[in-house]
Amino acid sequence: ETGVTQTPRHLVMGMTNKKSLKCEQHLGHNAMYWYKQSAKKPLELMFVYNFKEQTENNSVPSRFSPECPNSSHLFLHLHTLQPEDSALYLCASSQDRQGDSGNTIYFGEGSWLTVV
Amino acid sequence: AQSVTQLGSHVSVSEGALVLLRCNYSSSVPPYLFWYVQYPNQGLQLLLKYTSAATLVKGINGFEAEFKKSETSFHLTKPSAHMSDAAEYFCAVSEKGNTPLVFGKGTRLSVIA
Repeated sequence: ETGVTQTPRHLVMGMTNKKSLKCEQHLGHNAMYWYKQSAKKPLELMFVYNFKEQTENNSVPSRFSPECPNSSHLFLHLHTLQPEDSALYLCASSQDRQGDSGNTIYFGEGSWLTVV
Repeated sequence: AQSVTQLGSHVSVSEGALVLLRCNYSSSVPPYLFWYVQYPNQGLQLLLKYTSAATLVKGINGFEAEFKKSETSFHLTKPSAHMSDAAEYFCAVSEKGNTPLVFGKGTRLSVIA
């Protein structure tokens, strides 16, 4: 138990569906992240939020839409995805924005997404 | 910009043998360095990290890593492999004042009985 909880753990969706991934952290952290993990590729940072404000968007397609209503919750809204978007989506958090002082990033167990 | 290279996508060792997972980094300023482990169907868990204190860093589960500036390396070692060490290991680097944390491609460790 890392203190970062992701739901659902598994999701299968059609290309025309709209779904959301949810992440909640119980660590009192100020920064939250979405990462994408695909087979044979390095972990890709998608979005960074610090104190609920988005500070980084790594050229992610608009079919992925993040939402951070407060420092404890992070959502990833999904719509009109492609099969190549199938991957493990990892949520993470850190005390402050990573890099400011070498903060440890704590990861959730991930949401396996399959787009059919 | 910082980067990290993990040599060997797959390493196989016998139970009880030395584990050595290699990581080289590139950074324009003194880096922060991390090793994470990912067990099947789980997220990433921090093993250890270097943040400019002691160059030999001890982590969980008997792992340690040594920061060598002259070699730009941060290799992960464990004296005696256990079956439960079988997992994917990721090296990562970041720079002070800079995001994001950059991960290597990972090394899958297999432990043979």
